[in-house]
Amino acid sequence: AQSVTQLGSHVSVSEGALVLLRCNYSSSVPPYLFWYVQYPNQGLQLLLKYTTGATLVKGINGFEAEFKKSETSFHLTKPSAHMSDAAEYFCAVSEGVAGNTPLVFGKGTRLSVIA
Amino acid sequence: ETGVTQTPRHLVMGMTNKKSLKCEQHLGHNAMYWYKQSAKKPLELMFVYNFKEQTENNSVPSRFSPECPNSSHLFLHLHTLQPEDSALYLCASSQGTLETQYFGPGTRLLVL
Repeated sequence: AQSVTQLGSHVSVSEGALVLLRCNYSSSVPPYLFWYVQYPNQGLQLLLKYTTGATLVKGINGFEAEFKKSETSFHLTKPSAHMSDAAEYFCAVSEGVAGNTPLVFGKGTRLSVIA
Repeated sequence: ETGVTQTPRHLVMGMTNKKSLKCEQHLGHNAMYWYKQSAKKPLELMFVYNFKEQTENNSVPSRFSPECPNSSHLFLHLHTLQPEDSALYLCASSQGTLETQYFGPGTRLLVL
C-alpha cells in the first residue's frame, strides 16, 4: 500500500525566497506522483504530476518537482515565492498502471509568504 | 459551465435533518469521488464510482449514502449526521481511477 509523508505542516518564507516543500512516498510499484494546491475556500487544483519519463517536472505558477527514486522523494520547489503562493499544498501518490488504487494524499503543508 | 461543480457551497443542518450534496462534472470523465476534508487531518477518500459502479467504500458510516445515476452526476445523501461530520466535502472526477483527479470547490458542512 502507498503512503505519503509531508515534512512540516507549516512552512513560512519571505517574498522572493526559495520555496521548498518536502514529500516522501512509499510505494511497492512505480508510482505516479502529484502535487495539488488548495487556496482558501476552494477545491484542490493540480500543480504538476509525474508519471514516467523525465524526472524533473514543471508545473503551473513556476513550480517544479523532481522525482528521486533512490530517496523516494518528490519535493516541490519554486525559485522565488510570491504572495499569491500562500495556500495549502498536498502531495499524493498512486500506483499508476501497476495498481488499481486511487490517490493517497499527504496531510498537507500550509505555505505562508511574508512580505 | 466547465469543470467540476458542487452544490450547495455551504450547508448547515441539524442532526435529525436529511440533506443531499450534489456534484456534476462536465469533463466527460468516467470516475467520480467523494472526499472528506477535516481540519488538521489528511484528505479522507469516502467513495469511488467508476462507470457508475461503486468500486470503493472506505468504511464510511451508513449515515452517508452515495448515489451515482450517471457518469456526470454524483450525490451524497446525508441523514442523522453527528457534529463530528462537520467538514469540507470535496467531489472529484477523473478519466479513469488511475488518472489525474479534478476537484470541485467543495461543500462546507456544519452539523449542529
